[in-house]
Amino acid sequence: GENVEQHPSTLSVQEGDSAVIKCTYSDSASNYFPWYKQELGKRPQLIIDIRSNVGEKKDQRIAVTLNKTAKHFSLHITETQPEDSAVYFCAAPYSSASKIIFGSGTRLSIRP
Amino acid sequence: DSGVTQTPKHLITATGQRVTLRCSPRSGDLSVYWYQQSLDQGLQFLIQYYNGEERAKGNILERFSAQQFPDLHSELNLSSLELGDSALYFCASSPRDREGVKGEQYFGPGTRLTVT
Repeated sequence: GENVEQHPSTLSVQEGDSAVIKCTYSDSASNYFPWYKQELGKRPQLIIDIRSNVGEKKDQRIAVTLNKTAKHFSLHITETQPEDSAVYFCAAPYSSASKIIFGSGTRLSIRP
Repeated sequence: DSGVTQTPKHLITATGQRVTLRCSPRSGDLSVYWYQQSLDQGLQFLIQYYNGEERAKGNILERFSAQQFPDLHSELNLSSLELGDSALYFCASSPRDREGVKGEQYFGPGTRLTVT
């Protein structure tokens, strides 16, 4: 069915360490995979996205990897900083129904 | 600022009432999406419009309805409100074409609905 599974639901890392969040999707026709960051009480904002024709994309401390065969994609944040604390959502479109399905979110906390 | 506007920012109403939430997409975006986010929950997709036509439906209750007008703004109508409808309602717009999702969604600031 239409489902995007996201793990873990909460993640606490020491400042300076790396954080990894994983998502699995079910529609093999999905071709666009965004990651959104939502700070408390604010709107979700896109931080990085990847299309199905590439396996990895990097933007400074943030990277996303995509494994189309396994139908999963991951967000990697290196050298974490306090301002990285937020809820992160992955998403995948279900092209047959023109929907965007979001994962359940990961609450990332950075310990000083 | 994403360029997507939503009004009102806050809304407090009683059970059984009806409210209308309004969204104006970014200039040039034809697609509008509505999401519901309950406290500490994820983003639940409600409904999507493209250039005035309904394109996709999520788990939208029958008490809820939406429309997109010729000027591309959209309204989400919530009726017979229940306590459980209290949530943050986001709308988002995207430069999507008819065939599929092209790019990112730009979210508005949300409307916080409290049903008492």
